[in-house]
Amino acid sequence: GAGVSQSPSNKVTEKGKDVELRCDPISGHTALYWYRQSLGQGLEFLIYFQGNSAPDKSGLPSDRFSAERTGGSVSTLTIQRTQQEDSAVYLCASRTQGNTEAFFGQGTRLTVV
Amino acid sequence: KNEVEQSPQNLTAQEGEFITINCSYSVGISALHWLQQHPGGGIVSLFMLSSGKKKHGRLIATINIQEKHSSLHITASHPRDSAVYICAVNTNSGGSNYKLTFGKGTLLTVNP
Repeated sequence: GAGVSQSPSNKVTEKGKDVELRCDPISGHTALYWYRQSLGQGLEFLIYFQGNSAPDKSGLPSDRFSAERTGGSVSTLTIQRTQQEDSAVYLCASRTQGNTEAFFGQGTRLTVV
Repeated sequence: KNEVEQSPQNLTAQEGEFITINCSYSVGISALHWLQQHPGGGIVSLFMLSSGKKKHGRLIATINIQEKHSSLHITASHPRDSAVYICAVNTNSGGSNYKLTFGKGTLLTVNP
C-alpha cells in the first residue's frame, strides 16, 4: 500500500478481554516498530522487528503483551486480559534499514472499559 | 531525566509569527527526526537530519551535534500549523541505531 496501515482505527473492549491490533507496513520496509501513546504522555517504545525477528522487546510493559510478524510484513500486537491502564493509542511505524525516515500509521485508539 | 527534552511544552502564537521549538538530547545519536502529530493522531515525518540544516517550505530544521541540540522553525505561521511537534532520535545503542527515542512533544496553537 501507499503507507502504513493500522486496523482497527478504534477499539473499545471490556476489561479482561483479549485484543489484537494489526499493522501493515510499507512494502519492502524491513524494520517495524510498535509504540504506545497514553493520554497526555509521549510516545513509548514497545517492540522492534527486523524482518520476522524481534531483537528488542524491552518496551513491552508486561507478559500480557506480545507481538509477532509474519512474512516480513504484517505484524500483530496482542494484549491479553486487558486492563484500563492499557487504554492508549497504539502506533506502528516502518522504515528501511539504516538511518532512514520512519513512516507512521494512523494508530489504533484502544479504550478498555 | 529524559534522554530527549523538548521546549516549550506548549506554545501559542498569532498567525504570521516566527516559531521556534527546541530539542536537546543526552545520548549519542545517528539521526534526529522532527515529527508532526495532528489532533486526529496521525504522525507525519517532517525532517530527518544528522547534521546541518534542512528546509522544506516554511519549515526549517537545524542540528548542532556538538551541543546535542536541534531546533525546528516555522516561518509565517498559519493556523493549519497547529499540531504537536515531536522530536525523536535514533540512539546509538550497542552498535545499533534502530531505536527511536521520543521527546514528549510541543503543542503548538496558532491563532488567526
